[in-house]
Amino acid sequence: GDSVTQMEGPVTLSEEAFLTINCTYTATGYPSLFWYVQYPGEGLQLLLKATKADDKGSNKGFEATYRKETTSFHLEKGSVQVSDSAVYFCALSDRGGTSYGKLTFGQGTILTVHP
Amino acid sequence: DADVTQTPRNRITKTGKRIMLECSQTKGHDRMYWYRQDPGLGLRLIYYSFDVKDINKGEISDGYSVSRQAQAKFSLSLESAIPNQTALYFCATSDSLAGGSTYEQYFGPGTRLTVT
Repeated sequence: GDSVTQMEGPVTLSEEAFLTINCTYTATGYPSLFWYVQYPGEGLQLLLKATKADDKGSNKGFEATYRKETTSFHLEKGSVQVSDSAVYFCALSDRGGTSYGKLTFGQGTILTVHP
Repeated sequence: DADVTQTPRNRITKTGKRIMLECSQTKGHDRMYWYRQDPGLGLRLIYYSFDVKDINKGEISDGYSVSRQAQAKFSLSLESAIPNQTALYFCATSDSLAGGSTYEQYFGPGTRLTVT
């Protein structure tokens, strides 16, 4: 079945540091890939997405590139801010078979940014 | 106003009690989902509904039931709550493929449920 694996957390950085959160996936079909962010006390918000190989999703300074050859979708940001402190989830939606439209999530990575 | 709302936002209940969590959406989406979030486990799918007449079990449906009362409403019930159902519950919606969906889902703010 489909699965998503995120790097172990939590991640603690100083403000303006470079961020990478690794995400790899397995899927039986040809998935769409997503990063969601959950701020404290809130629901999940879509951060960015990519629907085909080599697509780059970007939003709020975050980027992730759909790498089919390595089955990866790593999240990066060049300079993090305190306000980026949140939990980040990688997810996929497989577009094949009976599971299409359902999201499979990674376990989440807690990011804390210190001033 | 929020596109996806959940009630209640917080609930404490006792073991054995029946409880219903409600979800409403104004996005006009056909598809609705219920997830459970536990620390370190991400989100796990409980039930999903692709339209009013189509309801399907997710990966952890035991101990839960759902009702799709209308396109905009999808309720989750715990018939006899137990302590290991203590978790954060999220409702989500998505558009159908015919509606031009690229498969992203939109989440409500969550319901924090504690079973004592």
